[in-house]
Amino acid sequence: DAGVIQSPRHEVTEMGQEVTLRCKPISGHDYLFWYRQTMMRGLELLIYFNNNVPIDDSGMPEDRFSAKMPNASFSTLKIQPSEPRDSAVYFCASSLGTGAQETQYFGPGTRLLVL
Amino acid sequence: AQSVTQLDSQVPVFEEAPVELRCNYSSSVSVYLFWYVQYPNQGLQLLLKYLSGSTLVKGINGFEAEFNKSQTSFHLRKPSVHISDTAEYFCAVSPLHTGRRALTFGSGTRLQVQP
Repeated sequence: DAGVIQSPRHEVTEMGQEVTLRCKPISGHDYLFWYRQTMMRGLELLIYFNNNVPIDDSGMPEDRFSAKMPNASFSTLKIQPSEPRDSAVYFCASSLGTGAQETQYFGPGTRLLVL
Repeated sequence: AQSVTQLDSQVPVFEEAPVELRCNYSSSVSVYLFWYVQYPNQGLQLLLKYLSGSTLVKGINGFEAEFNKSQTSFHLRKPSVHISDTAEYFCAVSPLHTGRRALTFGSGTRLQVQP
């Protein structure tokens, strides 16, 4: 299995531009998670989906952030407009199963720098 | 709500020495406990997890952790470290029976193994 795939791996953009991060979960997994990692706040959950439906978006910072999962094999996280404080590593993870004990498998992350 | 405290931000250790990385948690409900490892420029990988039963859990790469309910701790140990163990280690919890699947992470401990 190829694991969780994220693209791009690195993104440099200017303040005010739209940024779209992409994720392909492990085939067959029914949960998908977006996390953000920063020096100041550590690893924090932004949103997660179950069977393509958003379940908990309480971690999404503000209206500038949106996430979609149009099908079981693809999700996007969009920031519009981007700001320097959005600079972070964004991870996508997926898992299979109905319990909180199920292992989450993480992608390699997208390192975003907003100038 | 849950919170996780990793008491040491950095732990330097010599190769072949034992190491313990400390983790304490706080939660109003029962939780599952996890340790993840992040190698440089990579995503997180599960080391081990505690779900129930024996309080001593063995994971990959020779790591083990012990759950102590009275002290709400889940410390990670390895009897003899290698240079290749240099990485950042994250303790995380996930609540039982709430239906919420999110992981709450600690701030991480950077293990630096020196020759």
